[in-house]
Amino acid sequence: NAGVTQTPKFQVLKTGQSMTLQCAQDMNHNSMYWYRQDPGMGLRLIYYSASEGTTDKGEVPNGYNVSRLNKREFSLRLESAAPSQTSVYFCASSESQGNQPQHFGDGTRLSIL
Amino acid sequence: GENVEQHPSTLSVQEGDSAVIKCTYSDSASNYFPWYKQELGKRPQLIIDIRSNVGEKKDQRIAVTLNKTAKHFSLHITETQPEDSAVYFCAAGSWGKLQFGAGTQVVVTP
Repeated sequence: NAGVTQTPKFQVLKTGQSMTLQCAQDMNHNSMYWYRQDPGMGLRLIYYSASEGTTDKGEVPNGYNVSRLNKREFSLRLESAAPSQTSVYFCASSESQGNQPQHFGDGTRLSIL
Repeated sequence: GENVEQHPSTLSVQEGDSAVIKCTYSDSASNYFPWYKQELGKRPQLIIDIRSNVGEKKDQRIAVTLNKTAKHFSLHITETQPEDSAVYFCAAGSWGKLQFGAGTQVVVTP
């Protein structure tokens, strides 16, 4: 039981390149989330998926797209990376959307030059 | 939208003393308030959470209090130990949409 698994763990991109961050959970959770964490700030919600087949914008969705591939997998795509997107990205999942604990993956450290 | 403020930003305590972190929120619709602990380079881990129908919750050395009228909630750690050193985040929200505070760096000195 691995929980929430994110790949890759580290990535360096050049400005304008595209990239997809992968996330998978094995807890049979319905809801999944993508956050970014910048120094000195808390986590900010980018997109979330309340259940398979649905996605919604969070606090900072600009420059990102998501796909809920199936119940287990939720990917985050940067179509044209910008230096402002340099951050640590965390994926999380919860049993349902309604006030349930969110369990986080180990994060992806992304640098954009 | 929701806005969460967290204080203090850093907290240094002697081993065995208590630590208190306070958060305020703005959206009265928020009804879920989790607290996360994050060690350097690691994932955030849930340590305790409280829902709006409860005023206080305790789990061993950790307790959380919620005042919905004043829109603030607090984390209390008693008998602190060196392994409590980490960054602690509060969050507030509902229906999975959480707004996080900026974090409190807690340093427990032996």
